[in-house]
Amino acid sequence: GQNIDQPTEMTATEGAIVQINCTYQTSGFNGLFWYQQHAGEAPTFLSYNVLDGLEEKGRFSSFLSRSKGYSYLLLKELQMKDSASYLCAVRDKQAGTALIFGKGTTLSVSS
Amino acid sequence: GAVVSQHPSRVICKSGTSVKIECRSLDFQATTMFWYRQFPKQSLMLMATSNEGSKATYEQGVEKDKFLINHASLTLSTLTVTSAHPEDSSFYICSASGAGAYEQYFGPGTRLTVT
Repeated sequence: GQNIDQPTEMTATEGAIVQINCTYQTSGFNGLFWYQQHAGEAPTFLSYNVLDGLEEKGRFSSFLSRSKGYSYLLLKELQMKDSASYLCAVRDKQAGTALIFGKGTTLSVSS
Repeated sequence: GAVVSQHPSRVICKSGTSVKIECRSLDFQATTMFWYRQFPKQSLMLMATSNEGSKATYEQGVEKDKFLINHASLTLSTLTVTSAHPEDSSFYICSASGAGAYEQYFGPGTRLTVT
């Protein structure tokens, strides 16, 4: 089966940098996704990693280490609107194209 | 980017009735659609995967006779919650992906309340 762990809650201040970690266990890793979800809304895609290394996209970056079963999402220059849940999701070859989601990390950004 | 719509956005129904939720891909052909359920402050739980023209594959613990999924075309999938009970109250979200695509595009979700 699959197991995905990420911290439940994090807090940070405007302008700061925050790193949200995600560890996973899966038998047939086939990609890792990060999604942002505001309360009551559907998730929106942030990043996708399938090879080791860092993927940068504006203020957001995502890192993957397949050997360690580890990823992180890095958010720079935090803004109030970044307050949301951040979901780590893994694709397993046995599950086809379906995603298995972690429980999400609720980030609160204060001024 | 790709757009996925869901209808209705909110629905309230009485216990024992059935409710149908539609998921449409508006500007691409969705060979695969996924249905998720999300309880308050919980993550998304995959309910089933459906491929156009074939029967849905349900996750363990999800009753296929209670949650009927139809994926009759490349742009439409429906989820029908039959004989709804209050414990079925939840946020139901669909997502869709095209042939060979790695990304799933999520719909805006449907808030179901069973009274």
